[in-house]
Amino acid sequence: KNQVEQSPQSLIILEGKNCTLQCNYTVSPFSNLRWYKQDTGRGPVSLTIMTFSENTKSNGRYTATLDADTKQSSLHITASQLSDSASYICVVSAAEGNNRLAFGKGNQVVVIP
Amino acid sequence: SAVISQKPSRDICQRGTSLTIQCQVDSQVTMMFWYRQQPGQSLTLIATANQGSEATYESGFVIDKFPISRPNLTFSTLTVSNMSPEDSSIYLCSVEDRRQLIYEQYFGPGTRLTVT
Repeated sequence: KNQVEQSPQSLIILEGKNCTLQCNYTVSPFSNLRWYKQDTGRGPVSLTIMTFSENTKSNGRYTATLDADTKQSSLHITASQLSDSASYICVVSAAEGNNRLAFGKGNQVVVIP
Repeated sequence: SAVISQKPSRDICQRGTSLTIQCQVDSQVTMMFWYRQQPGQSLTLIATANQGSEATYESGFVIDKFPISRPNLTFSTLTVSNMSPEDSSIYLCSVEDRRQLIYEQYFGPGTRLTVT
């Protein structure tokens, strides 16, 4: 069973609308949680990194939240743009095992005009 | 941040042949990794490329199938040997910046491999 589960698998949203992506994880002991954006044909690019002591972090129109107690995170996209069409990958780092990363399968977002 | 380039960006290969993928980083890095990303799946770590010594492979990946070279701190190659259609995937090079308290990880653009 994957240690990082993301939902929804894919979604289509209208330009200008908001959306929220979910990530649940079982990785323990927890070190940090990252959200990456991967455009088609490109490698993943980091959006946010949060440790257990942080419960929200923003990067422009992207806002990530973290609840380390329930092991849940969300990524909120505000006022979506066509360039937000991408896969958003949740990645959790363990506090042992040499910083081993566990990857989710990604949320595929398509923004339409 | 680190800027990573990969060659080739994509290739179509016949089964039974081998392909070598190159990864170049614009700065010296200690930790360099190779990942595979199959359609609809999460990134899977193949191995850690160690400078001056043999790569460290993850469970399910072996040196005979995925030989790796790491001649210096800015360059690595991954070879996919004796390819079959199941090897069709995106292969990503990644480096880890350990100068910060939290290790940031950067990814190359990937090599899209199709095996026919």
